[in-house]
Amino acid sequence: AQSVSQHNHHVILSEAASLELGCNYSYGGTVNLFWYVQYPGQHLQLLLKYFSGDPLVKGIKGFEAEFIKSKFSFNLRKPSVQWSDTAEYFCAVNAFEDTGRRALTFGSGTRLQVQP
Amino acid sequence: ETGVTQTPRHLVMGMTNKKSLKCEQHLGHNAMYWYKQSAKKPLELMFVYNFKEQTENNSVPSRFSPECPNSSHLFLHLHTLQPEDSALYLCASSPRQGLANEKLFFGSGTQLSVL
Repeated sequence: AQSVSQHNHHVILSEAASLELGCNYSYGGTVNLFWYVQYPGQHLQLLLKYFSGDPLVKGIKGFEAEFIKSKFSFNLRKPSVQWSDTAEYFCAVNAFEDTGRRALTFGSGTRLQVQP
Repeated sequence: ETGVTQTPRHLVMGMTNKKSLKCEQHLGHNAMYWYKQSAKKPLELMFVYNFKEQTENNSVPSRFSPECPNSSHLFLHLHTLQPEDSALYLCASSPRQGLANEKLFFGSGTQLSVL
Protein backbone atom coordinates (compact mmCIF):
# COMPACT_ATOMS: atom_id res chain seq x y z
CA ALA A 1 0.00 0.00 0.00
CA GLN A 2 1.16 3.51 -0.65
CA SER A 3 2.34 5.61 2.24
CA VAL A 4 3.55 9.13 2.87
CA SER A 5 6.25 9.81 5.40
CA GLN A 6 6.97 13.11 7.03
CA HIS A 7 9.98 12.46 9.17
CA ASN A 8 9.98 15.76 11.03
CA HIS A 9 7.11 15.75 13.48
CA HIS A 10 7.97 19.01 15.20
CA VAL A 11 10.33 21.68 13.96
CA ILE A 12 11.29 24.80 15.87
CA LEU A 13 13.01 27.66 14.04
CA SER A 14 13.86 31.25 14.66
CA GLU A 15 12.54 33.93 12.32
CA ALA A 16 14.59 34.35 9.13
CA ALA A 17 15.90 30.80 9.33
CA SER A 18 15.58 28.61 6.27
CA LEU A 19 13.07 25.79 6.23
CA GLU A 20 13.02 22.39 4.63
CA LEU A 21 10.36 19.82 5.50
CA GLY A 22 10.80 16.31 4.20
CA CYS A 23 8.15 14.26 2.45
CA ASN A 24 8.69 10.82 0.98
CA TYR A 25 6.13 8.54 -0.57
CA SER A 26 6.22 4.88 -1.38
CA TYR A 27 4.16 4.64 -4.56
CA GLY A 28 6.02 4.11 -7.83
CA GLY A 29 3.33 5.01 -10.34
CA THR A 30 1.92 8.33 -11.51
CA VAL A 31 1.35 10.69 -8.63
CA ASN A 32 0.00 14.12 -7.90
CA LEU A 33 1.65 15.78 -4.93
CA PHE A 34 0.39 18.40 -2.52
CA TRP A 35 1.43 20.39 0.48
CA TYR A 36 -1.36 21.64 2.72
CA VAL A 37 -1.04 24.00 5.65
CA GLN A 38 -3.22 24.40 8.68
CA TYR A 39 -2.74 27.59 10.66
CA PRO A 40 -3.78 27.60 14.31
CA GLY A 41 -7.55 27.54 14.61
CA GLN A 42 -8.07 27.31 10.88
CA HIS A 43 -8.82 24.59 8.38
CA LEU A 44 -6.52 23.04 5.88
CA GLN A 45 -5.57 25.09 2.88
CA LEU A 46 -3.51 24.27 -0.15
CA LEU A 47 0.04 25.57 -0.15
CA LEU A 48 1.17 24.19 -3.48
CA LYS A 49 0.70 21.24 -5.80
CA TYR A 50 2.53 19.29 -8.45
CA PHE A 51 0.79 17.50 -11.31
CA SER A 52 3.33 17.56 -14.14
CA GLY A 53 5.95 19.73 -15.80
CA ASP A 54 8.58 21.71 -13.93
CA PRO A 55 9.47 19.68 -10.82
CA LEU A 56 10.15 22.88 -8.88
CA VAL A 57 6.80 24.19 -7.81
CA LYS A 58 6.18 27.60 -6.29
CA GLY A 59 3.27 28.17 -3.97
CA ILE A 60 1.79 30.89 -1.85
CA LYS A 61 3.65 32.89 0.79
CA GLY A 62 7.09 32.20 -0.63
CA PHE A 63 6.97 28.43 -0.28
CA GLU A 64 8.31 26.07 -2.91
CA ALA A 65 8.70 22.32 -3.26
CA GLU A 66 10.80 20.12 -5.48
CA PHE A 67 9.62 16.82 -6.88
CA ILE A 68 12.52 14.39 -7.19
CA LYS A 69 11.11 11.28 -8.78
CA SER A 70 14.22 9.16 -8.27
CA LYS A 71 14.07 9.84 -4.54
CA PHE A 72 10.27 9.62 -4.22
CA SER A 73 10.44 12.96 -2.46
CA PHE A 74 8.56 16.24 -2.46
CA ASN A 75 10.28 18.43 0.11
CA LEU A 76 8.90 21.79 1.09
CA ARG A 77 11.23 24.78 1.39
CA LYS A 78 11.19 28.42 2.31
CA PRO A 79 14.35 30.57 2.39
CA SER A 80 13.32 32.72 5.35
CA VAL A 81 10.46 31.85 7.69
CA GLN A 82 8.27 34.28 9.56
CA TRP A 83 6.44 33.96 12.82
CA SER A 84 3.19 33.78 10.83
CA ASP A 85 4.38 30.53 9.24
CA THR A 86 3.75 28.73 12.52
CA ALA A 87 1.34 25.98 11.49
CA GLU A 88 0.92 22.29 10.77
CA TYR A 89 2.10 21.20 7.33
CA PHE A 90 0.74 18.13 5.56
CA CYS A 91 2.17 16.42 2.55
CA ALA A 92 -0.31 14.43 0.46
CA VAL A 93 -0.03 12.08 -2.49
CA ASN A 94 -2.79 11.28 -4.93
CA ALA A 95 -1.82 8.13 -6.78
CA PHE A 96 -3.18 6.52 -9.91
CA GLU A 97 -3.53 2.84 -9.17
CA ASP A 98 -3.47 -0.06 -11.63
CA THR A 99 -7.25 -0.29 -11.45
CA GLY A 100 -7.55 3.35 -12.43
CA ARG A 101 -8.96 4.37 -9.10
CA ARG A 102 -7.21 7.07 -7.12
CA ALA A 103 -6.43 7.18 -3.46
CA LEU A 104 -5.30 10.20 -1.53
CA THR A 105 -2.85 9.62 1.27
CA PHE A 106 -1.79 12.25 3.73
CA GLY A 107 1.37 12.30 5.77
CA SER A 108 1.07 12.61 9.50
CA GLY A 109 1.99 16.27 9.44
CA THR A 110 4.86 18.42 10.68
CA ARG A 111 4.27 21.05 13.30
CA LEU A 112 6.37 24.13 12.60
CA GLN A 113 6.93 26.59 15.38
CA VAL A 114 8.66 29.84 14.48
CA GLN A 115 10.01 31.84 17.36
CA PRO A 116 10.23 35.63 17.08
CA GLU B 1 -3.71 4.18 10.76
CA THR B 2 -5.10 7.53 11.88
CA GLY B 3 -8.00 6.27 14.00
CA VAL B 4 -10.55 7.63 11.52
CA THR B 5 -12.40 5.01 9.48
CA GLN B 6 -14.50 5.74 6.42
CA THR B 7 -16.84 3.36 4.64
CA PRO B 8 -17.29 2.47 1.92
CA ARG B 9 -13.89 3.01 0.29
CA HIS B 10 -15.49 3.18 -3.14
CA LEU B 11 -19.04 3.93 -4.21
CA VAL B 12 -20.69 4.05 -7.61
CA MET B 13 -24.20 5.44 -7.76
CA GLY B 14 -26.74 6.67 -10.26
CA MET B 15 -28.16 10.16 -10.18
CA THR B 16 -31.46 8.95 -8.75
CA ASN B 17 -29.94 6.82 -5.99
CA LYS B 18 -29.76 7.61 -2.29
CA LYS B 19 -26.65 6.53 -0.45
CA SER B 20 -24.75 7.45 2.69
CA LEU B 21 -21.09 7.79 3.55
CA LYS B 22 -20.00 6.88 7.05
CA CYS B 23 -17.14 8.10 9.18
CA GLU B 24 -16.16 6.84 12.60
CA GLN B 25 -13.34 8.00 14.83
CA HIS B 26 -11.90 6.25 17.87
CA LEU B 27 -9.78 9.13 19.07
CA GLY B 28 -12.15 10.73 21.55
CA HIS B 29 -12.35 13.85 19.40
CA ASN B 30 -15.21 16.32 19.45
CA ALA B 31 -14.91 17.95 16.04
CA MET B 32 -15.54 16.21 12.73
CA TYR B 33 -15.24 17.44 9.18
CA TRP B 34 -16.25 16.54 5.66
CA TYR B 35 -13.90 17.53 2.85
CA LYS B 36 -14.23 17.04 -0.89
CA GLN B 37 -11.38 16.60 -3.30
CA SER B 38 -12.20 16.75 -6.98
CA ALA B 39 -9.76 15.85 -9.71
CA LYS B 40 -6.88 18.31 -9.90
CA LYS B 41 -8.48 20.63 -7.36
CA PRO B 42 -7.46 21.34 -3.81
CA LEU B 43 -9.29 19.99 -0.86
CA GLU B 44 -12.62 21.77 -0.22
CA LEU B 45 -14.13 21.99 3.23
CA MET B 46 -17.82 21.04 3.20
CA PHE B 47 -19.11 20.78 6.77
CA VAL B 48 -17.82 21.05 10.31
CA TYR B 49 -19.39 19.66 13.48
CA ASN B 50 -18.17 20.62 16.91
CA PHE B 51 -19.66 18.72 19.87
CA LYS B 52 -22.38 17.37 17.54
CA GLU B 53 -23.44 20.83 16.43
CA GLN B 54 -22.94 21.94 12.85
CA THR B 55 -20.70 24.99 12.91
CA GLU B 56 -19.88 25.37 9.23
CA ASN B 57 -21.62 24.72 5.95
CA ASN B 58 -19.41 25.91 3.14
CA SER B 59 -22.25 26.67 0.69
CA VAL B 60 -22.76 23.00 0.00
CA PRO B 61 -25.77 22.06 -2.19
CA SER B 62 -28.71 20.53 -0.35
CA ARG B 63 -28.28 17.21 -2.17
CA PHE B 64 -25.53 16.63 0.41
CA SER B 65 -26.97 16.23 3.89
CA PRO B 66 -24.66 15.68 6.88
CA GLU B 67 -25.61 14.02 10.13
CA CYS B 68 -23.65 13.80 13.36
CA PRO B 69 -25.52 11.65 15.89
CA ASN B 70 -22.62 11.68 18.36
CA SER B 71 -19.05 12.89 18.52
CA SER B 72 -17.70 9.61 17.14
CA HIS B 73 -19.84 9.27 14.06
CA LEU B 74 -20.43 11.43 11.03
CA PHE B 75 -22.56 10.64 7.99
CA LEU B 76 -22.99 12.26 4.63
CA HIS B 77 -26.33 11.43 3.02
CA LEU B 78 -26.39 11.70 -0.74
CA HIS B 79 -29.41 12.05 -3.02
CA THR B 80 -29.98 13.09 -6.62
CA LEU B 81 -26.31 13.75 -7.16
CA GLN B 82 -24.80 15.03 -10.37
CA PRO B 83 -21.84 13.61 -12.29
CA GLU B 84 -19.76 16.61 -11.23
CA ASP B 85 -20.14 15.44 -7.64
CA SER B 86 -17.81 12.56 -8.41
CA ALA B 87 -14.85 13.07 -6.13
CA LEU B 88 -12.96 11.81 -3.13
CA TYR B 89 -14.81 12.59 0.09
CA LEU B 90 -12.61 12.83 3.15
CA CYS B 91 -13.63 12.78 6.77
CA ALA B 92 -11.43 14.23 9.46
CA SER B 93 -11.57 14.73 13.19
CA SER B 94 -9.81 16.87 15.75
CA PRO B 95 -10.00 17.27 19.52
CA ARG B 96 -12.08 20.41 19.18
CA GLN B 97 -12.66 23.00 16.52
CA GLY B 98 -10.74 26.22 16.89
CA LEU B 99 -8.01 25.12 19.28
CA ALA B 100 -4.69 26.84 18.68
CA ASN B 101 -2.86 23.52 18.44
CA GLU B 102 -5.67 21.68 16.66
CA LYS B 103 -4.53 18.86 14.45
CA LEU B 104 -6.71 17.08 11.96
CA PHE B 105 -6.69 13.33 11.58
CA PHE B 106 -7.97 12.21 8.23
CA GLY B 107 -9.70 9.06 7.09
CA SER B 108 -8.68 7.41 3.85
CA GLY B 109 -11.70 8.73 2.02
CA THR B 110 -14.57 7.42 -0.08
CA GLN B 111 -14.04 7.57 -3.82
CA LEU B 112 -17.48 8.41 -5.24
CA SER B 113 -18.47 8.04 -8.86
CA VAL B 114 -21.83 9.37 -10.01
CA LEU B 115 -23.04 7.95 -13.29
